[in-house]
Amino acid sequence: GAVVSQHPSRVICKSGTSVKIECRSLDFQATTMFWYRQFPKQSLMLMATSNEGSKATYEQGVEKDKFLINHASLTLSTLTVTSAHPEDSSFYICSARPVLATNEKLFFGSGTQLSVL
Amino acid sequence: QQQVKQSPQSLIVQKGGIPIINCAYENTAFDYFPWYQQFPGKGPALLIAIRPDVSEKKEGRFTISFNKSAKQFSLHIMDSQPGDSATYFCAASMRSSGSRLTFGEGTQLTVNP
Repeated sequence: GAVVSQHPSRVICKSGTSVKIECRSLDFQATTMFWYRQFPKQSLMLMATSNEGSKATYEQGVEKDKFLINHASLTLSTLTVTSAHPEDSSFYICSARPVLATNEKLFFGSGTQLSVL
Repeated sequence: QQQVKQSPQSLIVQKGGIPIINCAYENTAFDYFPWYQQFPGKGPALLIAIRPDVSEKKEGRFTISFNKSAKQFSLHIMDSQPGDSATYFCAASMRSSGSRLTFGEGTQLTVNP
């Protein structure tokens, strides 16, 4: 099956620093990738839709200047958490939809646990 | 606004039991209903999905029952095993929005040996 690689799996940073999370589709191309945020024992909340070659579409309430998304190629999207604060500590997950998909099937990365001290 | 409501929040069964997780949706434009399994510290993995034109779909030990008129769907896990202990999420999307999923709140399933 299709594989989505997410890196790093875990990151600890100091308050005020920026952190970049990568999401790669290893064996397929994806024009669209999605970024989610998940707090402990809660559901996945969609943050933004990343479109290759164009600006990301952010969900209501998500600060686009704080969560920078870049989708520069058909296999890579990055999420940068700028000036991170403890309240940004969360589990971040990406997903990707193959370009040639005939259905809505999504493939998820393994997630990144961000801890801001 | 929560468009997909999931219950129960947690569920404990014995090995071999048949846990049932229920979801209800509000938006009649939804036309794709997947179920995901998530283990701690991992991303969700697709288990099974259904479209509104069928009332039931079975894949291995997992079965989805779908009631379009009631706007409800459920996941049944046959012959449950301790390895099935995980969090299960239902979700919904509509073709017009690509793969933009709306998730339920999740159900923490524990299968005791």
